[in-house]
Amino acid sequence: GQQVMQIPQYQHVQEGEDFTTYCNSSTTLSNIQWYKQRPGGHPVFLIQLVKSGEVKKQKRLTFQFGEAKKNSSLHITATQTTDVGTYFCASNDYKLSFGAGTTVTVRA
Amino acid sequence: NAGVTQTPKFQVLKTGQSMTLQCAQDMNHNSMYWYRQDPGMGLRLIYYSASEGTTDKGEVPNGYNVSRLNKREFSLRLESAAPSQTSVYFCASRTQGIYNEQFFGPGTRLTVL
Repeated sequence: GQQVMQIPQYQHVQEGEDFTTYCNSSTTLSNIQWYKQRPGGHPVFLIQLVKSGEVKKQKRLTFQFGEAKKNSSLHITATQTTDVGTYFCASNDYKLSFGAGTTVTVRA
Repeated sequence: NAGVTQTPKFQVLKTGQSMTLQCAQDMNHNSMYWYRQDPGMGLRLIYYSASEGTTDKGEVPNGYNVSRLNKREFSLRLESAAPSQTSVYFCASRTQGIYNEQFFGPGTRLTVL
């Protein structure tokens, strides 16, 4: 089964608002990756986190790896319509187990 | 570079028919993967190949076979399609090293009637 669990499954956001999606694991992860899939598209790599407590930013997206390396979060500020899609986290064991994803819709 | 390519893009089969999904990558990656994606289920690994000449089962291998034809190509075969195999299939390849992101193909949308 999946090694990582994502919450929430769906996120409906008003344009301009912030939101956070979470990725949780019952085991310690060596590192974690985040991907974005636009509607009708394929997953595209966003970032990889390796170190305990690591924080990385990509413009309005902030990614964090927990101190215990069992959870991760993606925070998006000032949501735009271009943020629509499904965001997946993936544990970087050899088989790269993916979470079920958080599907984001944006109200203009 | 084309990255990861998949053929066909769409396919409709009748129950019991067979078909092969093709995947190729031009990035000289050793590892290649086949996933299926169903609504609310995320991406589930069917089979993977760590290197040319090796294949291994993933989370949901039943009803599928794979062939790693060479370093570039990794095919997925459905011997006797079932409606439960209606899904979107993605092929991916992966870089090596500490930062080993996966590159996905555009997907094949398969419907089994």
